[in-house]
Amino acid sequence: SQTIHQWPATLVQPVGSPLSLECTVEGTSNPNLYWYRQAAGRGLQLLFYSVGIGQISSEVPQNLSASRPQDRQFILSSKKLLLSDSGFYLCAHSTPYGYTFGSGTRLTVV
Amino acid sequence: EDQVTQSPEALRLQEGESSSLNCSYTVSGLRGLFWYRQDPGKGPEFLFTLYSAGEEKEKERLKATLTKKESFLHITAPKPEDSATYLCAVQPAGAGSYQLTFGKGTKLSVIP
Repeated sequence: SQTIHQWPATLVQPVGSPLSLECTVEGTSNPNLYWYRQAAGRGLQLLFYSVGIGQISSEVPQNLSASRPQDRQFILSSKKLLLSDSGFYLCAHSTPYGYTFGSGTRLTVV
Repeated sequence: EDQVTQSPEALRLQEGESSSLNCSYTVSGLRGLFWYRQDPGKGPEFLFTLYSAGEEKEKERLKATLTKKESFLHITAPKPEDSATYLCAVQPAGAGSYQLTFGKGTKLSVIP
């Protein structure tokens, strides 16, 4: 079965510090991978998606970047966090039957 | 631009009181409409995918239906453990249409 791992679960970071969130998928090869952000009172917003190693598409201009160094690894990064980067970050992969989400990372920038 | 509007934003039900959640959508060709359940602090959990108008799917106390403009999630005789936020999302048809557009969700509270 397919499993998606995401860590850490919670993170508190000061403004201006770097960020690295990691997501890995098991049980599938060449998955389509996604990073979503969920802010309070708003729907899930697609940030990046990737259809293969080294292939990243950005949906929203922002302070964040994404990379896919391996087939089943997707990383969300920032060089300098802003207060507005706070939120709930979710990694997901798509299957023919739907999307499977990770357990999420609650990021608080202070 | 694809849009998804969910109503109501919040719904309080007594245990056993059936109701429906609404998801209205605008999309340039629909590949699929998805329903998810999300518990606080957790990632969304997949419930259903609907592909064409008239389609219905059921799972325990939940039944999802689809028309050309909206989808309903019917909850029959809900229990407190059904309390969660229910999310609706659409995937447009067409090559390269990988992303889902989500609504803001309906927060359901079932009171014992």
